[in-house]
Amino acid sequence: EAQVTQNPRYLITVTGKKLTVTCSQNMNHEYMSWYRQDPGLGLRQIYYSMNVEVTDKGDVPEGYKVSRKEKRNFPLILESPSPNQTSLYFCASSLRGNYEQYFGPGTRLTVT
Amino acid sequence: SQQGEEDPQALSIQEGENATMNCSYKTSINNLQWYRQNSGRGLVHLILIRSNEREKHSGRLRVTLDTSKKSSSLLITASRAADTASYFCATDGVWSGGSNYKLTFGKGTLLTVNP
Repeated sequence: EAQVTQNPRYLITVTGKKLTVTCSQNMNHEYMSWYRQDPGLGLRQIYYSMNVEVTDKGDVPEGYKVSRKEKRNFPLILESPSPNQTSLYFCASSLRGNYEQYFGPGTRLTVT
Repeated sequence: SQQGEEDPQALSIQEGENATMNCSYKTSINNLQWYRQNSGRGLVHLILIRSNEREKHSGRLRVTLDTSKKSSSLLITASRAADTASYFCATDGVWSGGSNYKLTFGKGTLLTVNP
């Protein structure tokens, strides 16, 4: 089954404790992206990757890191999480950057 | 910066009625896409319309695009309670180097279809 998976689905952590949210797709898509969704602000793009070892900043990259060492995986790293990073995070992939995107189920992160 | 903006923010209708949502954007685009999100879940792609297309249909969905007005509309005909969801438009951008591959989503329209 074609899908995008994210782990964990729910995470509660404390300020400053490094964490990684994994994202994996099984569709051989070139393009992958991370978004955060906050009430009243909609979806905002954090980082995207057009292919292996090619990443670029979205609209809200501060406080986040990404890497794309393999085509199928695109982890999101929060080196020192802060409460303002409490949000619902989505990973997405698509064949090309401006084609339809397939979204993961989301990761709800709470930073206390 | 925010590209697509949906209007209205919320819409409540009765089952069987049609629902129309609008999206406005600011800069030139290659494509405009519409997505649906059920509460707290991942977005699901509905339809993609290219900048050289004016109208597209998919089942009960009809999307129009007016590049001169930088706007798009999504029409859902004969709505059902299961159509209750948030609907988002997403646009890419165009610059001299081609598509920028940055998809920008609007804040969404919350559609409630009452049985």
